Amino acid sequence: ELKVEQNPLFLSMQEGKNYTIYCNYSTTSDRLYWYRQDPGKSLESLFVLLSNGAVKQEGRLMASLDTKARLSTLHITAAVHDLSATYFCADSQGGKLIFGQGTELSVKP
Amino acid sequence: KAGVTQTPRYLIKTRGQQVTLSCSPISGHRSVSWYQQTPGQGLQFLFEYFSETQRNKGNFPGRFSGRQFSNSRSEMNVSTLELGDSALYLCASSLATGGRNEQFFGPGTRLTVL
Repeated sequence: ELKVEQNPLFLSMQEGKNYTIYCNYSTTSDRLYWYRQDPGKSLESLFVLLSNGAVKQEGRLMASLDTKARLSTLHITAAVHDLSATYFCADSQGGKLIFGQGTELSVKP
Repeated sequence: KAGVTQTPRYLIKTRGQQVTLSCSPISGHRSVSWYQQTPGQGLQFLFEYFSETQRNKGNFPGRFSGRQFSNSRSEMNVSTLELGDSALYLCASSLATGGRNEQFFGPGTRLTVL
């Protein structure tokens, strides 16, 4: 069974702190996606990680991919309230996305 | 460039009815995928269409069906609605089929079954 597991599922952070969300997947895919979802909204694409060792950064978010460990991480630096949302990683299998459970991030002042 | 559009945005139906949701992909995109999002099951793949052909299907009952037209627009139909079908239905488009094509999501249709 194809599986994508994220942890933690809930994350309450203080502004200014750093934290990492982990995404483990069970397939041999070399492509991993990160999405953001605000309450009641659709999915916004954050990162597409295309190969082993890929690292991408956008603002306070940095994502990396280790295909040998089947692990991707989303690192948050100096969190701000605007980053509060649910973050999903997804593995791509033959055109269909297999999503993790999502990590609900709450950044408090 | 216009994004993925979905209509209607909100829908309320009663058990036993049927519903049709519509998705217009980004111009030039030929693949359309559908996903169901519920609090209990999360985001689950329903099916993918490319060049009017179903390429992939998720683990959903036959009450869920779809089709794609020659202009790449897609519709999804759910017959004999059940309470558990209440969900956010998301459509995503990509240039082509296969895992190497990034999918862009529409705003979703929120279906409530009473």
